[in-house]
Amino acid sequence: KNQVEQSPQSLIILEGKNCTLQCNYTVSPFSNLRWYKQDTGRGPVSLTIMTFSENTKSNGRYTATLDADTKQSSLHITASQLSDSASYICVVSRTAYSGAGSYQLTFGKGTKLSVIP
Amino acid sequence: DTEVTQTPKHLVMGMTNKKSLKCEQHMGHRAMYWYKQKAKKPPELMFVYSYEKLSINESVPSRFSPECPNSSLLNLHLHALQPEDSALYLCASSHQRGTELLFHNEQFFGPGTRLTVL
Repeated sequence: KNQVEQSPQSLIILEGKNCTLQCNYTVSPFSNLRWYKQDTGRGPVSLTIMTFSENTKSNGRYTATLDADTKQSSLHITASQLSDSASYICVVSRTAYSGAGSYQLTFGKGTKLSVIP
Repeated sequence: DTEVTQTPKHLVMGMTNKKSLKCEQHMGHRAMYWYKQKAKKPPELMFVYSYEKLSINESVPSRFSPECPNSSLLNLHLHALQPEDSALYLCASSHQRGTELLFHNEQFFGPGTRLTVL
């Protein structure tokens, strides 16, 4: 079964601190993995997209890693800011030529990050 | 222009009303998507259009009717909705070249329409 599991479910950190969010997946065959940031009541905004051959990718203070062998990804946020408070969603795309759409793109349930002063 | 726009931002409707949600993008994307998102849940795929043709319908009730009048626009027509249909409705778009797989390329999401059905 194609699944994406994220941990922790929620996280509270102090402004200026670093944090790491985890994503484990069983989606196969793997195409790519994306991290999105979603503010409450708003649409998700893409942070990174990584293919099989990419181990790490950065976007400003956000750095994503991917271990395709263990099917794990992490999102590291450096020097957190109050504006980083949001849900972070891991999404895995599957290479498939058939099947319903929900089986080609699997969303994790997200990690809700709260950055406090 | 690198954004997806959605109107209206908020919509309140009764169960007998007919309304439409609109989505627009000018990035030349040929794949467009409708998602439904309930509070504290990930988005759920509803429909996918590829080159203005409906490619995927995730068994969505007929009270939701999608329409893609051209490559930049995507509508979602609503009729006889139920209170449980209240949710954030998200539109997204992505590049798609030829027979390239849907969902392979990065999706760009709009800000969503917050729908409340009374």
